[in-house]
Amino acid sequence: QKEVEQNSGPLSVPEGAIASLNCTYSDRGSQSFFWYRQYSGKSPELIMSIYSNGDKEDGRFTAQLNKASQYVSLLIRDSQPSDSATYLCAVNGRGNKLVFGAGTILRVKS
Amino acid sequence: EPEVTQTPSHQVTQMGQEVILRCVPISNHLYFYWYRQILGQKVEFLVSFYNNEISEKSEIFDDQFSVERPDGSNFTLKIRSTKLEDSAMYFCASSEVRPGGTQYFGPGTRLLVL
Repeated sequence: QKEVEQNSGPLSVPEGAIASLNCTYSDRGSQSFFWYRQYSGKSPELIMSIYSNGDKEDGRFTAQLNKASQYVSLLIRDSQPSDSATYLCAVNGRGNKLVFGAGTILRVKS
Repeated sequence: EPEVTQTPSHQVTQMGQEVILRCVPISNHLYFYWYRQILGQKVEFLVSFYNNEISEKSEIFDDQFSVERPDGSNFTLKIRSTKLEDSAMYFCASSEVRPGGTQYFGPGTRLLVL
């Protein structure tokens, strides 16, 4: 069983629409959850962190966490072409290591 | 805004050679990490380092790999005898000392082993 699973995409949305990205994880003991954005050839860039069940909003981004369902999601409102990237879900594991999913490719079409 | 820096940005080496990748973590961070990403694959954890010792390492991090904090600012990853399959992007990250703290990534070193 994969530790962190994401739909690889690509997810295509029109400019101005809401993009919804999903992630499931296997370790019930995980306490910290992160969304990173990665442009091609670049390093992961933090978008959001979330630690408690529920929603957390930051500008156009909303992260949602449901520990009972072992599910994390990221909503991007008013999607822009510059949001086109690979979105990585990461879960904190033993020794503070991050376990990454394979990422979801998002394409925002203008 | 403080950031993690890494040198070199690109390194080409011959199989069997030693390479040292360098990182300068964010200055008030005390937890340091190395990850790698083979082209087209996911980001993989290699090692975490705290208080001058390894706190966790993956199965990838075998005897060919070592890490060191040689002074108060640098954090290095050494690969003793490189293999073709070591070709990847290597990312350094750092975080504050608290459980589950956010990790900030450097720009990476692209290593190509010929």
